[in-house]
Amino acid sequence: EDKVVQSPLSLVVHEGDTVTLNCSYEVTNFRSLLWYKQEKKAPTFLFMLTSSGIEKKSGRLSSILDKKELFSILNITATQTGDSAVYLCAGGGATNKLIFGTGTLLAVQP
Amino acid sequence: EPEVTQTPSHQVTQMGQEVILRCVPISNHLYFYWYRQILGQKVEFLVSFYNNEISEKSEIFDDQFSVERPDGSNFTLKIRSTKLEDSAMYFCASSSTGNSGANVLTFGAGSRLTVL
Repeated sequence: EDKVVQSPLSLVVHEGDTVTLNCSYEVTNFRSLLWYKQEKKAPTFLFMLTSSGIEKKSGRLSSILDKKELFSILNITATQTGDSAVYLCAGGGATNKLIFGTGTLLAVQP
Repeated sequence: EPEVTQTPSHQVTQMGQEVILRCVPISNHLYFYWYRQILGQKVEFLVSFYNNEISEKSEIFDDQFSVERPDGSNFTLKIRSTKLEDSAMYFCASSSTGNSGANVLTFGAGSRLTVL
């Protein structure tokens, strides 16, 4: 059965800290891994990764995929209180559906 | 920026009642999805829809559920006879292409369904 596992489940840091969120996956006919940020509303897209070893960056956020070891990490540097959210990882295979992990709840304290 | 809109944002209903959740996908998207998230649990796939028919559905999407695109803009999820365990946040999503392994889904803000 396809599954995506995220760790840690929750994390509390102080502003300015760097955090690493983990995602491992087992997805049949894997095609891509997606990261979303979920605040109180819609999950908003962060990254889609399809190739190993190529880092994707957007400001203080970056992510990389390892297709051999079946995992991805999401890094956030110089965290701000606005980064507080649930970060969702999802795997996409050959079909239409995304398989989501449970999410990592990040709380950034001032 | 284009967005997926959902109504209502919150609906409270009695067990056994029918509910319809509505979604307006992004206008040039062709693929539509419903996901749900029970409180404290994972986001789960329910159904995908393309060209006026279901392209894939999960085990959760039983005979009590149906989807429809009644006109050129709306995409609806109907639950015929709600059960307590249907209480969840229901997310609509759309994408421009159909393979979720190669395209980005844009999600709506969700409709919270509470079944009493």
